[in-house]
Amino acid sequence: DAKTTQPNSMESNEEEPVHLPCNHSTISGTDYIHWYRQLPSQGPEYVIHGLTSNVNNRMASLAIAEDRKSSTLILHRATLRDAAVYYCILRANTGGFKTIFGAGTRLFVKA
Amino acid sequence: ETGVTQTPRHLVMGMTNKKSLKCEQHLGHNAMYWYKQSAKKPLELMFVYSLEERVENNSVPSRFSPECPNSSHLFLHLHTLQPEDSALYLCASSNGIGSSYEQYFGPGTRLTVT
Repeated sequence: DAKTTQPNSMESNEEEPVHLPCNHSTISGTDYIHWYRQLPSQGPEYVIHGLTSNVNNRMASLAIAEDRKSSTLILHRATLRDAAVYYCILRANTGGFKTIFGAGTRLFVKA
Repeated sequence: ETGVTQTPRHLVMGMTNKKSLKCEQHLGHNAMYWYKQSAKKPLELMFVYSLEERVENNSVPSRFSPECPNSSHLFLHLHTLQPEDSALYLCASSNGIGSSYEQYFGPGTRLTVT
């Protein structure tokens, strides 16, 4: 299964944009890139996913490199509620339900 | 609220007890999952059901027994657990098991085995 690499932690100021990187150099052509986040004492929450093109939704934007070996989750204006662990996950077309979570990036947001 | 509920939210059980965790999804999804999240470890996928059939059993010990009576409900039956089984057990659902489907998680059941 393809693996992802994320920084252990990042810090941001409130109201500023946050760029959370993820490397996935062994990604296969049909692997989808998913992002989830987990707030303290809660289950993971779906954020966004994409295959090749950049994606936007009400929560965030996902920028995918042209070679697909890396991606960046963009929170346009961080709030204190965005403090969480963010997981970048690859889901394979075959056995795509085998969602493999790594350690993720813990995002700290300063007021 | 994600549309996935889990009960109980907290459970303390002895090693000789039998208990069950319940998950219900109100999203009309056809796939459901059990995950285990231990302290300091990533989430581990345990079981996957698609259209009420188990499609994945990720080398989970037999003291954990899943049941999916219909597409809205998922149970995890527990018996003769060990202290190292103490963890947060999370249920999730999705509208399919393909790689493009996102999963929606419940709040989890915090299990302590004494």
